[in-house]
Amino acid sequence: GAVVSQHPSRVICKSGTSVKIECRSLDFQATTMFWYRQFPKQSLMLMATSNEGSKATYEQGVEKDKFLINHASLTLSTLTVTSAHPEDSSFYICSARGQGALIEAFFGQGTRLTVV
Amino acid sequence: TQLLEQSPQFLSIQEGENLTVYCNSSSVFSSLQWYRQEPGEGPVLLVTVVTGGEVKKLKRLTFQFGDARKDSSLHITAAQPGDTGLYLCAGGKDTGRRALTFGSGTRLQVQP
Repeated sequence: GAVVSQHPSRVICKSGTSVKIECRSLDFQATTMFWYRQFPKQSLMLMATSNEGSKATYEQGVEKDKFLINHASLTLSTLTVTSAHPEDSSFYICSARGQGALIEAFFGQGTRLTVV
Repeated sequence: TQLLEQSPQFLSIQEGENLTVYCNSSSVFSSLQWYRQEPGEGPVLLVTVVTGGEVKKLKRLTFQFGDARKDSSLHITAAQPGDTGLYLCAGGKDTGRRALTFGSGTRLQVQP
């Protein structure tokens, strides 16, 4: 299957700082990327949908000014958690879908964010 | 409201036993995927089914898509400890820009 690389896999930051998470599609062009948040022992919760070259679409209840998403190219999307607080600590996962027949979504390895 | 309901939510079995996980919805999906996720990692795609009534086999795993494309099942034969993980079904509405709808997940634990 297609490869999606997410970086970093783990990050610890202080309250009030910002953290950037990168999501790259390595062997296909991802016209659309998705960002999820996952709480322990739960399923994935969609945060936002990001299309290359346009503004991200955020799910209800997700603060767009707090979770900044940039999809500047067909292979890279970034999620920046601004002014992080301990309650932002979570597992963040990106996924990517390509064009046309590529109906599956492939996932990055996830990023464990801990805000202290 | 969870559009895709999975059952059971948690399953603990002994090595060698068989099990079935169900994924049900009132909505029709154009495709359905099954993923397995291990702790601290992203979900890994196991299979995609697109045709109503389709059955796919992946070694000891058998996946079925319902005739009406509203439900699916995953059957594991002779489960092994390596099958332990979180199993997620996910439905797709189109081939393009919309996110998959994820099921609530089934946590499987296979005891040696």
